Amino acid sequence: DSGVTQTPKHLITATGQRVTLRCSPRSGDLSVYWYQQSLDQGLQFLIQYYNGEERAKGNILERFSAQQFPDLHSELNLSSLELGDSALYFCASSQTDRGLREGEKLFFGSGTQLSVL
Amino acid sequence: AQKVTQAQTEISVVEKEDVTLDCVYETRDTTYYLFWYKQPPSGELVFLIRRNSFDEQNEISGRYSWNFQKSTSSFNFTITASQVVDSAVYFCALKNNFNKFYFGSGTKLNVKP
Repeated sequence: DSGVTQTPKHLITATGQRVTLRCSPRSGDLSVYWYQQSLDQGLQFLIQYYNGEERAKGNILERFSAQQFPDLHSELNLSSLELGDSALYFCASSQTDRGLREGEKLFFGSGTQLSVL
Repeated sequence: AQKVTQAQTEISVVEKEDVTLDCVYETRDTTYYLFWYKQPPSGELVFLIRRNSFDEQNEISGRYSWNFQKSTSSFNFTITASQVVDSAVYFCALKNNFNKFYFGSGTKLNVKP
């Protein structure tokens, strides 16, 4: 168990809807990262938060947004959902904000499987 | 319980050396998939390989090779003639029957010139 908790495990919704994915980082970790994975391929980096502030942005669509709350949990909001948004969404956490450039190791949750019908 | 263990937190080698990254997993599922990913500084996790539990054939792709042994629940990754560009964090992961992923804690590889 990595200590990173993602809920829900599975989510089925319809096109045009809005969903919220939740992530609780490991105890003591201040950074939270969101990733999207399609079809057992690589994980595309979406966004990073550190201690409540946005720290880095990847290929995140404008229909998607995220935030990190004072208790350090994070939520990824996906709106106006399209069929192509169906994917596995991962959350990861790390202790500092040194970031991916310095090869900081991340601890991954088990993912939320989103199915858009 | 499902678990992936990458016991090597960090490895440093000199360019051109061979290096093996260890991955040991635990699962009671009979059907599962094993993955290796590379995390470069850009942030994404680059997919390297996927192996299903019924396919124990080792695989070689260029300088990369993977040794899957169900008897020891291991799926080790070897880089031959390492290069500086191989420096990254590498993750091993297991996907179970319910499409749930379990990641190892990652091994940071430093390849020095």
